[in-house]
Amino acid sequence: AQTVTQSQPEMSVQEAETVTLSCTYDTSESDYYLFWYKQPPSRQMILVIRQEAYKQQNATENRFSVNFQKAAKSFSLKISDSQLGDAAMYFCASNTGTASKLTFGTGTRLQVTL
Amino acid sequence: DTEVTQTPKHLVMGMTNKKSLKCEQHMGHRAMYWYKQKAKKPPELMFVYSYEKLSINESVPSRFSPECPNSSLLNLHLHALQPEDSALYLCASSQPQGTFSYEQYFGPGTRLTVT
Repeated sequence: AQTVTQSQPEMSVQEAETVTLSCTYDTSESDYYLFWYKQPPSRQMILVIRQEAYKQQNATENRFSVNFQKAAKSFSLKISDSQLGDAAMYFCASNTGTASKLTFGTGTRLQVTL
Repeated sequence: DTEVTQTPKHLVMGMTNKKSLKCEQHMGHRAMYWYKQKAKKPPELMFVYSYEKLSINESVPSRFSPECPNSSLLNLHLHALQPEDSALYLCASSQPQGTFSYEQYFGPGTRLTVT
């Protein structure tokens, strides 16, 4: 069974600053994918970034990047130059080949202040 | 076009009503999902369809009945629901690669209230 843990229920960052959201996971699979999803107040889940476990290079998408530490089973999300529109609930998730099921963490609510 | 649409956006129904939620995607994906999400919680998987066949039912009560008429459409038929079934219902789709599916794309959800 997979588990995904987000230990930060809430985080706050000032506009234009950088923030890092933590995520750890546990899986016995050798082949898996990791994702960060953003859910703003509108409630639509938006894919932010994905990381293939077999790739050593950390994924980046514009202001969003991950720090993937496979041995430590850690997958943190760094948001640079934070914007007001980044305020949302962020969910870390993992997916193994088994049945295509996404396992979500409990989420981190990010506030962006002026 | 990475878009999944869901109708209706909001639904209020009584416990004796029958209603349906609809989901549509035009990305050519062959896996579709229903999730239930309560406030401040992560989504909970309910059903998975892969190539129009039901592949996962997460022990969902029979008052929820999924249907996949074709590769683009996914329905969730609701009957005799309970107030605790009030939640946001999310549809998602993804493209299987063998036994694997990669990222899922979500619709905006239907906010369901059972009175």
